[in-house]
Amino acid sequence: DGGITQSPKYLFRKEGQNVTLSCEQNLNHDAMYWYRQDPGQGLRLIYYSQIVNDFQKGDIAEGYSVSREKKESFPLTVTSAQKNPTAFYLCASSIAGQETQYFGPGTRLLVL
Amino acid sequence: GNSVTQMEGPVTLSEEAFLTINCTYTATGYPSLFWYVQYPGEGLQLLLKATKADDKGSNKGFEATYRKETTSFHLEKGSVQVSDSAVYFCALKWSGYSTLTFGKGTMLLVSP
Repeated sequence: DGGITQSPKYLFRKEGQNVTLSCEQNLNHDAMYWYRQDPGQGLRLIYYSQIVNDFQKGDIAEGYSVSREKKESFPLTVTSAQKNPTAFYLCASSIAGQETQYFGPGTRLLVL
Repeated sequence: GNSVTQMEGPVTLSEEAFLTINCTYTATGYPSLFWYVQYPGEGLQLLLKATKADDKGSNKGFEATYRKETTSFHLEKGSVQVSDSAVYFCALKWSGYSTLTFGKGTMLLVSP
């Protein structure tokens, strides 16, 4: 079955540590996105990538980094510079030039 | 800038009641408009969309009409079910841009 997978479902991080969230898609989509979801805040865009080896900052990129070395993979690193990392992180993908984004199941990050 | 405003939740209804969730947007021109649904603990799924004024999107008994005169895209369903309990997000996207702007989401709780 085609789709987007995010792992793990829950992730715990100690203060001062970097942590990487995985996002993989087998839909052959060109574009991929990372969103952060906080209660009452909706979804906010962190980074997006429209093509391999290229990505752009979204609205809240500070404290995060990404890479896009393969079309199917778009990992997100939450660095120690992100002061409030506890949130639900959602990855999405879309066909370039098309409007519908398809979402993964999300990863919930908790800082201990 | 562009923004999407949704009615605050939670919206609590009894099964078979009529549902309206209001969504208005602020934008120049005519973006495409979307409703996404998020079931507990999951990612977002596209529910319906409309790409031009007066278009009606529909799916699973839900409907929304793109009203340019009132810059609105209200979600309606004639008879809700317990299984419709979820968070509903209104979103907009400009043609030629790859990113979505989301509202803050409206939680719907349907009781038997």
